[in-house]
Amino acid sequence: GAVVSQHPSWVICKSGTSVKIECRSLDFQATTMFWYRQFPKQSLMLMATSNEGSKATYEQGVEKDKFLINHASLTLSTLTVTSAHPEDSSFYICSAGTGAYSNQPQHFGDGTRLSIL
Amino acid sequence: AQKVTQAQTEISVVEKEDVTLDCVYETRDTTYYLFWYKQPPSGELVFLIRRNSFDEQNEISGRYSWNFQKSTSSFNFTITASQVVDSAVYFCALGGYQKVTFGIGTKLQVIP
Repeated sequence: GAVVSQHPSWVICKSGTSVKIECRSLDFQATTMFWYRQFPKQSLMLMATSNEGSKATYEQGVEKDKFLINHASLTLSTLTVTSAHPEDSSFYICSAGTGAYSNQPQHFGDGTRLSIL
Repeated sequence: AQKVTQAQTEISVVEKEDVTLDCVYETRDTTYYLFWYKQPPSGELVFLIRRNSFDEQNEISGRYSWNFQKSTSSFNFTITASQVVDSAVYFCALGGYQKVTFGIGTKLQVIP
């Protein structure tokens, strides 16, 4: 089945550091990828939708200069948390769809736990 | 606006019991999709099912079954003969074109 790989799975870093998270579709081409954020014991909140070769579409309230998204190829999207601060600590998870549902978040990566000290 | 309500925040059942997770949704779209995902303690999200708004046929997959009723805007999920491995948070989600809205999730604990 379709596999989405996310790396790294866990990051701990100092405040002020920028952190890049990669999301790869391993066995399919993903024209659209979705980035979610999940706080402990809460639901997934869509941050942005990234489309290959174009600018990401950010949800209301998400700072695009803070969370940089790049979708340079059909198999890779990256999320960079710039100048991260403790309040950015969260679980970040990417998703992509395949085939006729390429515009839906069907398959998820394993997520990245980000802890900012 | 889209909304997904999972009224049950936590459920505990004894192994082998059946359990139903409720999901009620709101949307003005005539075409939409409904999803269920499983998130075990390890954190990854596992896709379970997608249903489009034109297909009200119920579905069964092993011990899992789904009841979609447009008249009540519900898409409930039943696990038959629950097992400890079913312990997880289950999310119901509603989507149209691209954007998918998740419910808050129901934490299911299956006690041996």
